[in-house]
Amino acid sequence: DGGITQSPKYLFRKEGQNVTLSCEQNLNHDAMYWYRQDPGQGLRLIYYSQIVNDFQKGDIAEGYSVSREKKESFPLTVTSAQKNPTAFYLCASRLQGSTEAFFGQGTRLTVV
Amino acid sequence: GENVEQHPSTLSVQEGDSAVIKCTYSDSASNYFPWYKQELGKGPQLIIDIRSNVGEKKDQRIAVTLNKTAKHFSLHITETQPEDSAVYFCAASKGFGNEKLTFGTGTRLTIIP
Repeated sequence: DGGITQSPKYLFRKEGQNVTLSCEQNLNHDAMYWYRQDPGQGLRLIYYSQIVNDFQKGDIAEGYSVSREKKESFPLTVTSAQKNPTAFYLCASRLQGSTEAFFGQGTRLTVV
Repeated sequence: GENVEQHPSTLSVQEGDSAVIKCTYSDSASNYFPWYKQELGKGPQLIIDIRSNVGEKKDQRIAVTLNKTAKHFSLHITETQPEDSAVYFCAASKGFGNEKLTFGTGTRLTIIP
C-alpha cells in the first residue's frame, strides 16, 4: 500500500528540547517537502529536497534542520532555536516531472 | 517572491447550492495553480489544478477558472454536499513541477444540511 507516512500523529515536548519528526514515503518520489501549518496562515515551506543528500531552505527554515540520507526518508528536527514550535507539520512528496504533491497526515507538535 | 491571497476565510453554504472561493497571485510568471482539500485531521489532497495555457477546467461538480490578466483564479463547487465540508487551499508555482508551491491562507467551507 503506497503512501507517505508521518509519525507520530501527536508529539509533546518541553521547551528547550530538540525533537525530530519522521516522514517516510514508498512512492519512489524524488522530491520531499516540509510545511508548517498555523491557523489563518496557510502552509509555509520549511525545507525541501529534490534528491538524496541535497536540500534547500524554504521560507521559514530558521530553527529547523533536515537530512536526506535515503530517498524514502526526510526527517525534520525542530531545534530549541525555533521560537514558536507549536504547530501542525506536514510532509509532502512529488515525483520528478509531475506537478502533484502528495501529503502525509501531519504531526501536531505541542511544546510546553 | 510570490504572494497568494485567498477569500473568504470562512464560507457557509446550504446543501445543494454553489460555493465559490477566490485567489489572487502576485507573480505574473506563475503558471500552475492547484487546489487542495484538507479534511479534519488529515493532510491536504489535490482536487483539481489548472495551467496558465487554459482558462477553465472542470471535473464533475468542481471547476476552476483562471484570469491571467487579472492574476486571479477561482474554485467553483456546484450542487454542494455535506462531504464537501473541509478547508480548501489554493496555491501557485512557476514552472510545471517547480519545487516551490506558495499557498493561500485557506477557506473553511461548511455545508449546511
